[in-house]
Amino acid sequence: ELKVEQNPLFLSMQEGKNYTIYCNYSTTSDRLYWYRQDPGKSLESLFVLLSNGAVKQEGRLMASLDTKARLSTLHITAAVHDLSATYFCAVDGSGTASKLTFGTGTRLQVTL
Amino acid sequence: SAVISQKPSRDICQRGTSLTIQCQVDSQVTMMFWYRQQPGQSLTLIATANQGSEATYESGFVIDKFPISRPNLTFSTLTVSNMSPEDSSIYLCSVEDRLSSFTKNIQYFGAGTRLSVL
Repeated sequence: ELKVEQNPLFLSMQEGKNYTIYCNYSTTSDRLYWYRQDPGKSLESLFVLLSNGAVKQEGRLMASLDTKARLSTLHITAAVHDLSATYFCAVDGSGTASKLTFGTGTRLQVTL
Repeated sequence: SAVISQKPSRDICQRGTSLTIQCQVDSQVTMMFWYRQQPGQSLTLIATANQGSEATYESGFVIDKFPISRPNLTFSTLTVSNMSPEDSSIYLCSVEDRLSSFTKNIQYFGAGTRLSVL
C-alpha cells in the first residue's frame, strides 16, 4: 500500500525567510503533484514532477523530485503572506490510472 | 485547463437521507475521480468513475453507500446514501484529460461540495 508522508504538518514562518516542505512516499511512482489549498477552497495545481531529478519553479516556490530516494521537496524562498495556505503532495502509484494518494498536508502560516 | 463545475457547493442534510453531487466538465475527459476530505484531513480517493461501466471503488468504499454514474465524457454524479454525521466532509471531483497534450498529466479539481449531516 502506497503511503505518503509530509513534514512538517504545520509551519509558521516570518516573511522573507526560506523553508522546505518534505514529501516521502513508500513505493515506486512516476508522477508526483504539489497542490495548494486555501481555507474553504478547492485544490490548485502547482507542479507536476514526472522524472527523477525534475525541478520546477514558479515564483517563490520550487519543487524537486528524487525518485531513488522517493522524496520530493517544495522550497519556499523569501516567503510572503500570500503564500499562507495548506500544501499537499500527491503521488500516482497506480501505473495505469491517476489514482492519487495524498500526503497529510502542510499548513503554512506566513507572519508579517 | 479544464473547468469543472460541481453542484451543490454545500448542503446540510438530515441523517438517513441521500444527496447527489454533480460534476460537469467543460470538455470531454477520459478520467474522472471522486475524493473525500474529512474535516482537517487530507484527501482520500473514493472511486474512479468509468464512462459506460461501473465505477471502480477503493478499499473502504462501497457502491451501495456511494453509487456513482458516468453517463458521458463530461459528467458524473456521486450519491452519498443513508447519510450519518460521519459522512460530513468535503467531496471533490477531479479530472484528468489524457487526450490533450497540453493538459496531460495534470489532474484538476472541482470546487468541492461541503456536506454537513445532522
